[in-house]
Amino acid sequence: GAVVSQHPSWVICKSGTSVKIECRSLDFQATTMFWYRQFPKQSLMLMATSNEGSKATYEQGVEKDKFLINHASLTLSTLTVTSAHPEDSSFYICSAPKASGGSREQFFGPGTRLTVL
Amino acid sequence: AQSVTQPDIHITVSEGASLELRCNYSYGATPYLFWYVQSPGQGLQLLLKYFSGDTLVQGIKGFEAEFKRSQSSFNLRKPSVHWSDAAEYFCAVNAGGTSYGKLTFGQGTILTVHP
Repeated sequence: GAVVSQHPSWVICKSGTSVKIECRSLDFQATTMFWYRQFPKQSLMLMATSNEGSKATYEQGVEKDKFLINHASLTLSTLTVTSAHPEDSSFYICSAPKASGGSREQFFGPGTRLTVL
Repeated sequence: AQSVTQPDIHITVSEGASLELRCNYSYGATPYLFWYVQSPGQGLQLLLKYFSGDTLVQGIKGFEAEFKRSQSSFNLRKPSVHWSDAAEYFCAVNAGGTSYGKLTFGQGTILTVHP
């Protein structure tokens, strides 16, 4: 299957700093990618849709100025958590769709564990 | 708005026993339905999906799921569980069309397998 990578796999930062998370589709191009957040023992919640060459679209309740998304190329989307606070500590997961057998299948990255101290 | 409910947070079965994980959805029409498995340190892996057609869907690793429109359910089954099946399982739905890729996930079911 297709491969989506994320970097870093985990990061610890101080409160008030910014953290950038990368999501790459390694063997296919993705004009759209999705960012999810998963709190401990909870489900994945869609945060935003990353669109190559245009602005990201955010789900209701997600602060676009806090979670900056840049889809710079057909294989890379970045999520920057600005002025991170402990409540932003979470597991961030990206996904990218790839055409598969007449439909499109979502391929997920392994996730990035963010801990804000 | 669409929603997904997985009633069982944690299920424990013995190796070799059968398994059924429940999933109910709420949506005006028939959504696209998915089951994913998440193992520690790994990304979500698609087990199977239902878009249309035969309501009994076969997936990878010996899993199958049955779509029942009358019950708004999409339960996952496996006739004989292996220790390597221990993981967390998520049911997800998508409205399709222009919102394709925007998945709404259930709360997840953690599967523990006893030897």
